Amino acid sequence: DAGVIQSPRHEVTEMGQEVTLRCKPISGHDYLFWYRQTMMRGLELLIYFNNNVPIDDSGMPEDRFSAKMPNASFSTLKIQPSEPRDSAVYFCASSAGWLGETQYFGPGTRLLVL
Amino acid sequence: GENVEQHPSTLSVQEGDSAVIKCTYSDSASNYFPWYKQELGKGPQLIIDIRSNVGEKKDQRIAVTLNKTAKHFSLHITETQPEDSAVYFCAARGGNMLTFGGGTRLMVKP
Repeated sequence: DAGVIQSPRHEVTEMGQEVTLRCKPISGHDYLFWYRQTMMRGLELLIYFNNNVPIDDSGMPEDRFSAKMPNASFSTLKIQPSEPRDSAVYFCASSAGWLGETQYFGPGTRLLVL
Repeated sequence: GENVEQHPSTLSVQEGDSAVIKCTYSDSASNYFPWYKQELGKGPQLIIDIRSNVGEKKDQRIAVTLNKTAKHFSLHITETQPEDSAVYFCAARGGNMLTFGGGTRLMVKP
């Protein structure tokens, strides 16, 4: 398996623009997680899905952020409108079962909002 | 919720020496403690994990110890090599969430 795939790897945009990050989890994994990593706050869980259904979105910073998982092989994280403080590395991870199972991380999307 | 503290934030060792990273957690109900290694430009990768019914686990040069009474766990790397240089994260699962420590940047000098 190719592992968790994320696109784009790098994104530079201007404040106010819409940003869409994409993730393809490992085939057969039923949990998908979106994390944000910054120097100030470290790794933060934003939202996670189980069988394509959002389970906990308490980590989503505000209404400008939204995430969807239309099918088992694809998820998006959207920021609209984007702000400079959204600049971070966004990771997607997947696992086969939640209870103690290994989370496999993608390579991340480095987002810079000017 | 769970709170995970990790120390030190940076650690520099000479090649061949041992490195120890320590974490404490707050939720006594936490029962799963993974360690991740993150290399530059990559996502975190699991290197070892331990469950609350085990006090110690070893995998070649890497070992993890868990003290549930004191609510702390540690990562031990022996015979460090330059390729061990990376950022290491501990994590603890309390409830349905995996909470990460702040990370330790390990530098192994040749």
